[in-house]
Amino acid sequence: DQQVKQNSPSLSVQEGRISILNCDYTNSMFDYFLWYKKYPAEGPTFLISISSIKDKNEDGRFTVFLNKSAKHLSLHIVPSQPGDSAVYFCAAREDRDDKIIFGKGTRLHILP
Amino acid sequence: NAGVTQTPKFQVLKTGQSMTLQCAQDMNHEYMSWYRQDPGMGLRLIHYSVGAGITDQGEVPNGYNVSRSTTEDFPLRLLSAAPSQTSVYFCASKVGGPYGYTFGSGTRLTVV
Repeated sequence: DQQVKQNSPSLSVQEGRISILNCDYTNSMFDYFLWYKKYPAEGPTFLISISSIKDKNEDGRFTVFLNKSAKHLSLHIVPSQPGDSAVYFCAAREDRDDKIIFGKGTRLHILP
Repeated sequence: NAGVTQTPKFQVLKTGQSMTLQCAQDMNHEYMSWYRQDPGMGLRLIHYSVGAGITDQGEVPNGYNVSRSTTEDFPLRLLSAAPSQTSVYFCASKVGGPYGYTFGSGTRLTVV
């Protein structure tokens, strides 16, 4: 049973516009959420995170929003740039054993 | 400071062969994990370790063994390789608590 769900396998966004990537989770024991970015033939790199006690975290062009009641988080990228084209993974940490579980990823294409 | 180093980068095995994927980190991180990435499946946790001498199973542990004799090293052993184990394997490390993983660059394994 998937605990972290990214229901959109891919997303295309015009350069300069906002990219919104979504993630849902089922486990109430998750206390920390992360977004990773992955380019082909490279390992995932950490992008931004949010604690379960917050509802928003911002870092430059990247903002993560958390809605605990809906068990939903989203990553906003504004403005989108060509270098943002990559696969984005949503991940969640379970407090009990510090495991980090990943979603299936969303491939973001930034169109010129 | 090399971060997380994985060897080899590429490997082809015949069905039934065994091998060990090596992973080393020089950041004195307590936690280490192995993930596999398959198309459409995202990153799935194989095994993880919260410190030297302590390991536990992740989401897809069957067919793999791990041990953690030192803080730095976390090798992944394939006991009898199967075509279903064709994948890209990522090793990662982190400090304990609500923090993200630092990933290696991956090992691409093909089992024929």
